[in-house]
Amino acid sequence: AQSVTQLDSHVSVSEGTPVLLRCNYSSSYSPSLFWYVQHPNKGLQLLLKYTSAATLVKGINGFEAEFKKSETSFHLTKPSAHMSDAAEYFCVVRPYGGSQGNLIFGKGTKLSVKP
Amino acid sequence: NAGVTQTPKFQVLKTGQSMTLQCAQDMNHNSMYWYRQDPGMGLRLIYYSASEGTTDKGEVPNGYNVSRLNKREFSLRLESAAPSQTSVYFCASKAHAGTSGLSSYEQYFGPGTRLTVT
Repeated sequence: AQSVTQLDSHVSVSEGTPVLLRCNYSSSYSPSLFWYVQHPNKGLQLLLKYTSAATLVKGINGFEAEFKKSETSFHLTKPSAHMSDAAEYFCVVRPYGGSQGNLIFGKGTKLSVKP
Repeated sequence: NAGVTQTPKFQVLKTGQSMTLQCAQDMNHNSMYWYRQDPGMGLRLIYYSASEGTTDKGEVPNGYNVSRLNKREFSLRLESAAPSQTSVYFCASKAHAGTSGLSSYEQYFGPGTRLTVT
């Protein structure tokens, strides 16, 4: 069975310091991978998505993620946190051959940013 | 474009009551989805509709029914609400699989309906 694991349920950083949100996936083949962000009381917004063309993916708001097949990881990073980054982040996998674009969501990582 | 819209935004029900959550999208997407979000659980798929006229069960379909009224609208019905259905419900839509690139995999989400069953 294919799955995605977010290694931290809560991450707290200070404004201006780097952000690292960790995600590991389980898949027999190279899946499609995404990071979504959810601000309080809002819907989900796509941050970035992995294509096979490049292992380092750039998203919106300065976020990046690197696909590492050998480690089955897709960690999300940002060099310098901003207060507006405080939100919940979901690592999501679309399994290879998955029907109808069905997605598997991680349980989420809540990012707090301290002034 | 309004994107994906959901009504109502908030709802409180008593156990045993019924209600329908409405979802509409104006992006001409073929596929639509209903998820529930519970603390520490991420999003779990309830039902989806790959195209107008078809619906399929997701991971947690028990206690729910859906209707794909037309290409734009996909409703979720709770026939007899239970406290375990207290959750935030999200509707999403996706373009046809034939769309080029990974944009065909991206799901667009509505703002959610916060449901409390007492």
